[in-house]
Amino acid sequence: DTAVSQTPKYLVTQMGNDKSIKCEQNLGHDTMYWYKQDSKKFLKIMFSYNNKELIINETVPNRFSPKSPDKAHLNLHINSLELGDSAVYFCASSQVLSGGPYNEQFFGPGTRLTVL
Amino acid sequence: GIQVEQSPPDLILQEGANSTLRCNFSDSVNNLQWFHQNPWGQLINLFYIPSGTKQNGRLSATTVATERYSLLYISSSQTTDSGVYFCAVMDSSYKLIFGSGTRLLVRP
Repeated sequence: DTAVSQTPKYLVTQMGNDKSIKCEQNLGHDTMYWYKQDSKKFLKIMFSYNNKELIINETVPNRFSPKSPDKAHLNLHINSLELGDSAVYFCASSQVLSGGPYNEQFFGPGTRLTVL
Repeated sequence: GIQVEQSPPDLILQEGANSTLRCNFSDSVNNLQWFHQNPWGQLINLFYIPSGTKQNGRLSATTVATERYSLLYISSSQTTDSGVYFCAVMDSSYKLIFGSGTRLLVRP
C-alpha cells in the first residue's frame, strides 16, 4: 500500500550513459514533482507536473527530461550522465497545485544515483 | 526569492531530553511543512502547519505566521528520532523551498 514509489532505489552507472527513474503514486493526486538532494542534503525542486502538464521547470539542464504518461506516473530520463548528476532524486505528489493544505506533499523513498 | 533558515544546524541529545528546532522564513506563506529524514533517507511528513499549533505524540509544532517563524518541539527524545529535520515553505509560484535542515543525533 505504498503511497509514492520509485524505481530503482539505487542506480550506479558510467558517465555518458542514459538512464531513467520511474515514479508512481496511488493517492489519486493531480500533481507530481521531482526533487534533487545533493551531498550536503540540500533539497531543491526540479520539475512539477499538474494533470500531465509541465508547470515548474527549475533551470534544470535539458539533459533531464520528465515525462508524465498519466496522472499517477512521472518518470525522469537523464541523458549523457555527468559526475555532478550524482545525488538522491525524490519524487513527490500532492492533491493539487495550490498554496493551501491540498498541496501537502508526500515523498517517495528516493533513488540514489551514482555516476562513475 | 523566499529564504528559509533553520537552527541549530546540528544537535546532539541524550535519550529522554527535550529539544526545540526553529525555522525562520523571509516572506508570508500559506503552506509550511516539517519533515523528518530518517537515517535510511526516507522523508517523512511530520506536520502541515502554516499557522497555529499541532501535536502528534511526542512531537508538536507551532507556526507564528505574522512573525515568520515555526518551531518543532521534540519531547522525551528517543534514538529513533535521529536524522535530519527539514522545514519547507511554499513560495508564490507553488515551489516548496526547503531549509538546510537540523541534523539531530539522540544518544542512548
